[in-house]
This record gives sequence, structure tokens and C-alpha cells, in this order.
Amino acid sequence: ELKVEQNPLFLSMQEGKNYTIYCNYSTTSDRLYWYRQDPGKSLESLFVLLSNGAVKQEGRLMASLDTKARLSTLHITAAVHDLSATYFCAAATGTASKLTFGTGTRLQVTL
Amino acid sequence: EPEVTQTPSHQVTQMGQEVILRCVPISNHLYFYWYRQILGQKVEFLVSFYNNEISEKSEIFDDQFSVERPDGSNFTLKIRSTKLEDSAMYFCASSDWEGGANVLTFGAGSRLTVL
Repeated sequence: ELKVEQNPLFLSMQEGKNYTIYCNYSTTSDRLYWYRQDPGKSLESLFVLLSNGAVKQEGRLMASLDTKARLSTLHITAAVHDLSATYFCAAATGTASKLTFGTGTRLQVTL
Repeated sequence: EPEVTQTPSHQVTQMGQEVILRCVPISNHLYFYWYRQILGQKVEFLVSFYNNEISEKSEIFDDQFSVERPDGSNFTLKIRSTKLEDSAMYFCASSDWEGGANVLTFGAGSRLTVL
């Protein structure tokens, strides 16, 4: 059974600082996703990573995938308050369409 | 931008009552899902649906849950006899396969409170 874990669970960081969220998954995965959730809101797709070494960037967020280590990272550069949210990674394997979500990382960016 | 719509946004019900949560997936998507999220916790998979049948379900999705696509546009989740522990936010999602990946688009959620 595919298990997905994230750390840290909670991250408080100052504006302007850099930080990385880690996502480990337990078995071979074909696809790795990152989603953002604002409090009381739905999940918004950020990135899909499909192959070893894949890197995607959008604004201050950059996601990467290392399939050999079964690890994905979400790197935040020069954080701003608007990035405060909970970030979830999710993994999927084969033709199974379901996504298995990680525990989430609640990011709080303070002034 | 196409979106997944869910109704109701919030439902309060008594324990033992039946609840139906409704979803309108994105029109050209072929895969449909229900997930739930207990307050402050992670997003848990309930069921996926493709070609008018359940393709996968989790251990949470027991006999008191059912899904239906009654009319080609709606996708419903029924909970037959609600329990206190069914209180959660229920998210519907839909997807299609593009470029080797299925990116799920989630609705805004239906908050279920069981008293």
C-alpha cells in the first residue's frame, strides 16, 4: 500500500527566507503532485512531476522529484505572506487513478 | 476556467439520517472521485468512478456509502445512516488523462456535520 509522508507538519517562516518541504513515499510511484489548500477552501493543483529529475517552477515555488530516493521537495524562495497555506503532496502509481495524499505541511509566513 | 461544483456547501444532520452530497464534474472529464478531510487532517480517498462503475474504493467506503451518476452530469455520494465520525469536509474531484498524468480538479467541498 502506498504511503506518503511529509515533513515538517508545520512551518513558520519569515518573509524573505527560503525553505524546503519534503515528501517521501513508500513504493514506486509514477506521478507526484503538489496541491495548495487555503483555510476552509478546496485544493488547488500546483505541480505534477512525472519522471526522475523532473523540476517545475512557478513563481517562488519549485518542485523536484527523485524517484530513486522516493522523495519530492517543494522549495520556497524568498517567502511572502501570500504563500501561507497548507501544502499537500500526493502520489499515484500505474493506471490507478486515485491519489494518495500526504499529511500536509501548514506554512505560515510572518512579516 | 472549468470547475467542479458541489452542493450543499454545508449540511447539518442527525445521526442515523441519510445524506446525499451532489457534484457536477467538469464536462469532458471521465474520472470522478470522492475524498474526505476531517478537520485539520489529511485528505483521504473514498472512491473513484469510471465508465459508470466504481474503479477503486478505500476501506472507509463501506456498505453505508454509495455513489451514483444518475443523469450523465451529476455525481452523487450517499451516506445511508450517518455516524458522528462521518463529520468532515467531502470533496468531489474529476480528472482526465493528459500527457501521462491525471490532474484532479477539486470542488469547493461539502461540509457535513453529524449531531
